Amino acid sequence: KNQVEQSPQSLIILEGKNCTLQCNYTVSPFSNLRWYKQDTGRGPVSLTIMTFSENTKSNGRYTATLDADTKQSSLHITASQLSDSASYICVVSRAGSYQLTFGKGTKLSVIP
Amino acid sequence: GAVVSQHPSWVICKSGTSVKIECRSLDFQATTMFWYRQFPKQSLMLMATSNEGSKATYEQGVEKDKFLINHASLTLSTLTVTSAHPEDSSFYICSASPSQETQYFGPGTRLLVL
Repeated sequence: KNQVEQSPQSLIILEGKNCTLQCNYTVSPFSNLRWYKQDTGRGPVSLTIMTFSENTKSNGRYTATLDADTKQSSLHITASQLSDSASYICVVSRAGSYQLTFGKGTKLSVIP
Repeated sequence: GAVVSQHPSWVICKSGTSVKIECRSLDFQATTMFWYRQFPKQSLMLMATSNEGSKATYEQGVEKDKFLINHASLTLSTLTVTSAHPEDSSFYICSASPSQETQYFGPGTRLLVL
């Protein structure tokens, strides 16, 4: 069964600190993996997208990693800001398909 | 690029009325669009897949007569919630696909049925 598991479910960190979110997947055949940021009451916004051959992708203070062998990905947020408070969703695409498999997300709260 | 808009962004309606939500791809053509529903603190749940010029494909448990989908052009899909009831209150998000394996999400529409 195609699944995406994220951890932790929620996380509270102090402003300025770093954090890492995890995503494990069983989706096969694999096409790409995206990390999205979803603010409350808004649609998901893409942060990074990685294909099978990529193992690191950065977007400002966001750095995603992918290990296609172990089917694991992480999203590292550096020097967190209050505006980083949101849900972060890991989404995996199946090759040759429109189908997306969503993780349940990690709710990040950055406090002053 | 790759902007998807939704209208309205929020709507409040009385029970029994119908509500139409529009999803537009602004700078690309989308042969396929998707409609999702998201309840509080939960992830997006796919409701239906809409292909331009053909009938939508609904996920199991989603009533096609309740949620009418029209994908009349390569840049516009509409979702009509017919005879809305309070349990239909939710956050509805569309996405548009210019190609397989890529989806761009809209900002969502919050529906509140009184």
